[in-house]
Amino acid sequence: NAGVTQTPKFQVLKTGQSMTLQCAQDMNHEYMSWYRQDPGMGLRLIHYSVGAGITDQGEVPNGYNVSRSTTEDFPLRLLSAAPSQTSVYFCASRRGPNQPQHFGDGTRLSIL
Amino acid sequence: AQTVTQSQPEMSVQEAETVTLSCTYDTSESDYYLFWYKQPPSRQMILVIRQEAYKQQNATENRFSVNFQKAAKSFSLKISDSQLGDAAMYFCAYRDFTGTASKLTFGTGTRLQVTL
Repeated sequence: NAGVTQTPKFQVLKTGQSMTLQCAQDMNHEYMSWYRQDPGMGLRLIHYSVGAGITDQGEVPNGYNVSRSTTEDFPLRLLSAAPSQTSVYFCASRRGPNQPQHFGDGTRLSIL
Repeated sequence: AQTVTQSQPEMSVQEAETVTLSCTYDTSESDYYLFWYKQPPSRQMILVIRQEAYKQQNATENRFSVNFQKAAKSFSLKISDSQLGDAAMYFCAYRDFTGTASKLTFGTGTRLQVTL
């Protein structure tokens, strides 16, 4: 089983560029989330989804968009990259509200 | 809002010894989950152990156990017989028991070193 797959694993962008971080899960999980991890801090929630067609903002949503057209995929879009968005990004999924969270391996994003 | 505090940025333990990592949290909820995640240098987030607040019995998973003190809002992780492979960042996390939000609230982490 692939679990939660994130691509790419590494990316370098210039300020102002846009890009999409991909996240796919093959476990038929309804709940999916995006987190960012910065040095000296725990993971912080960016956006989440409780099912196809349903998304909502987390703790730090500014500068990011998400969509959930299928159960399997939950892409995260940076509209106009800024150096403050340099971080490691984690996608996670779980079957239901009281189920354990499964994390992807993360995407390290650097914005120059 | 819920907060999770890990007051030990770094800890060190000798191989085969026992170490305890501290975590405190703040919430007004009575039902919730608490977790410990391990993040090795590979960057994966690995679930170590989970505790439901309504359960009085402390969770255990092999060499890992917790000391859950609900009244004190304390949730420490004990690692027995430490191994070199236990070296990692350890994050304490909280999640509400009810509601649809997927939010895990994380502490800032404790880096555990394991020495020979």
